[in-house]
Amino acid sequence: GEDVEQSLFLSVREGDSSVINCTYTDSSSTYLYWYKQEPGAGLQLLTYIFSNMDMKQDQRLTVLLNKKDKHLSLRIADTQTGDSAIYFCAEIPGGSYIPTFGRGTSLIVHP
Amino acid sequence: SAVISQKPSRDICQRGTSLTIQCQVDSQVTMMFWYRQQPGQSLTLIATANQGSEATYESGFVIDKFPISRPNLTFSTLTVSNMSPEDSSIYLCSAQTGGEKLFFGSGTQLSVL
Repeated sequence: GEDVEQSLFLSVREGDSSVINCTYTDSSSTYLYWYKQEPGAGLQLLTYIFSNMDMKQDQRLTVLLNKKDKHLSLRIADTQTGDSAIYFCAEIPGGSYIPTFGRGTSLIVHP
Repeated sequence: SAVISQKPSRDICQRGTSLTIQCQVDSQVTMMFWYRQQPGQSLTLIATANQGSEATYESGFVIDKFPISRPNLTFSTLTVSNMSPEDSSIYLCSAQTGGEKLFFGSGTQLSVL
């Protein structure tokens, strides 16, 4: 199986919260990331969390890390149409400096 | 943070030709990487661009097909050689700063006819 797994699609109504989930396999991962990719663009680093943290909040974004279950989530509060994009989860495995990416979750925000 | 300028942003090329993609970072960085992203897929690492030495290629990628240069700590190029339609993809340059942050260029959308 893949090292980093994400569901492929998420559809939410504008104004609701979005929760994008990610699971990974390496228990010694050091950093975990969330990236946003809009059509025709590169990847924008949204936020990242160090493995000794459980939660990180940055304005509308909340990252939760459950190391026991190797589960990472990104919550977007008050989701707007401009949040429609593909969101990639990534980890840096222990002993490496090279991130491993999931396949991305396509977030669709509808009125 | 780091600002990465990548060009060209897109190109349409003929089979058998080569394209060189340039990546310029606004600060000195230790690690630079080149990724390929095929439609609907995740990012696949092509190689790590090493300053002053040959690039380190991932399994399935070879120097003859994807030669890489890294003449200094702010600049790298990736060449896609002898292109075929299977090389049509988005190519992304990235740079790692401070040991934990990985930033990306805006990507090059390559179409090979």
